[in-house]
Amino acid sequence: EPEVTQTPSHQVTQMGQEVILRCVPISNHLYFYWYRQILGQKVEFLVSFYNNEISEKSEIFDDQFSVERPDGSNFTLKIRSTKLEDSAMYFCASINEAGGDQPQHFGDGTRLSIL
Amino acid sequence: QKEVEQDPGPLSVPEGAIVSLNCTYSNSAFQYFMWYRQYSRKGPELLMYTYSSGNKEDGRFTAQVDKSSKYISLFIRDSQPSDSATYLCAMSAYNQGGKLIFGQGTELSVKP
Repeated sequence: EPEVTQTPSHQVTQMGQEVILRCVPISNHLYFYWYRQILGQKVEFLVSFYNNEISEKSEIFDDQFSVERPDGSNFTLKIRSTKLEDSAMYFCASINEAGGDQPQHFGDGTRLSIL
Repeated sequence: QKEVEQDPGPLSVPEGAIVSLNCTYSNSAFQYFMWYRQYSRKGPELLMYTYSSGNKEDGRFTAQVDKSSKYISLFIRDSQPSDSATYLCAMSAYNQGGKLIFGQGTELSVKP
């Protein structure tokens, strides 16, 4: 069964450094999402992306965050200047239609640790 | 009021028990309801997906949606130790880009 893959599985970064998290969505999917899960808390929506632009973003997704689909397969989340509170699991998800008819499939996440 | 509420547990049951997991929600626009299972340090794995009200069964799992009460449930029959995980409810509204709103997650432990 096709999978969403995320790299790296664990990223340790000094506060203030830039970090890029990478995702390879399922190949025929068109809609892409990033979610965040701080340890012990609920999974939270960050941003959705379709047709090479952001469809919707949450309050968490401030100017420090950006997303990009640099080629036909990768979908990246960049945090420009990391803060301690950015430490979390980051999940990528994708679907082929966003009307709600298809459930989202998630990757196994990147655990981001900010020191 | 939180948009989606889910008792975080932990819930501990003996092997073979019937497990009932529940979520309530406040947004009447939600029409798509999902249950995900999450093992430690892994991504959410889709278990059940339902649209609007009604029941859906898949093996030992049954999902129920009651839109009039804004209440959804997941039942696990003949629970197994391998069912031990955190169960997340999630929901989305039609034509809102597919954004999922999650519950807190319920931690389930099935004891042999």
